[in-house]
Amino acid sequence: GAVVSQHPSRVICKSGTSVKIECRSLDFQATTMFWYRQFPKKSLMLMATSNEGSKATYEQGVEKDKFLINHASLTLSTLTVTSAHPEDSSFYICSTPSGTGGTEAFFGQGTRLTVV
Amino acid sequence: GDSVTQMEGPVTLSEEAFLTINCTYTATGYPSLFWYVQYPGEGLQLLLKATKADDKGSNKGFEATYRKETTSFHLEKGSVQVSDSAVYFCALSDPPDSWGKLQFGAGTQVVVTP
Repeated sequence: GAVVSQHPSRVICKSGTSVKIECRSLDFQATTMFWYRQFPKKSLMLMATSNEGSKATYEQGVEKDKFLINHASLTLSTLTVTSAHPEDSSFYICSTPSGTGGTEAFFGQGTRLTVV
Repeated sequence: GDSVTQMEGPVTLSEEAFLTINCTYTATGYPSLFWYVQYPGEGLQLLLKATKADDKGSNKGFEATYRKETTSFHLEKGSVQVSDSAVYFCALSDPPDSWGKLQFGAGTQVVVTP
C-alpha cells in the first residue's frame, strides 16, 4: 500500500525559532495532504488542507501566518511552524487520501514538537 | 455538521477480557466509518473500516458493524492482549465533499494488563 513518510519524528526547538515538518508520499502522487494537530489526551483536529500547486485551505481558527503550508510537488508537502512558542508544542500528523476511490487516508508517523 | 462521539477512557482491562468501545456519529450524507489505532509514540494506523450500512469491518480480531439505524460503529474484540494497549479513534469520512478528510472522535485509551 501507499506509504507516507513524515520527518522529523521528534523535534525540540527554542521559542521564536521556526520548525519545518515534511511529509513525503513514497510510492504515489499525493495531490492532497491534510495536516492535523493533536493536543495531549485529545483528538486530532484538522488544521489545513494542502493541494499541489495551490494555496492551502485553513480551518477556522488556525493562523495561516503561523502555520505555513507548502505543497510544491506531488510527493512533498511541508508544514512550517513559524516563531514557535511553547503553546505550539503538540503532535502534528499528515495524511493523504488513499487514491483508490475509497475514503480512507494514509497517515505519516507524526511529529512531536516541543518548544522550550 | 458531521461529528463523532466515542466513549471516554481510559479503559483498563485484563488480558483475555472482552473489549467494547462505543462510537456514534452524526453525518449529513452517507459516510464511511473507520477505526484507527495509535500505539505509543507512533502515528495512526487504519484498523478497520466499513463503507455502507450493515458492513462489518474486521482485522486482528477486532470487529465493528456499521449500524445506520443507530448511527453507531462500536468496536469489539473478544480477547484482548497486552499488545492491544493503544489509543483507538473512531472516525468518519463523508464524501464527496470530504474525500479522505476525516472527522475524529476524541479517542479512547485502552490499557491491557497481564
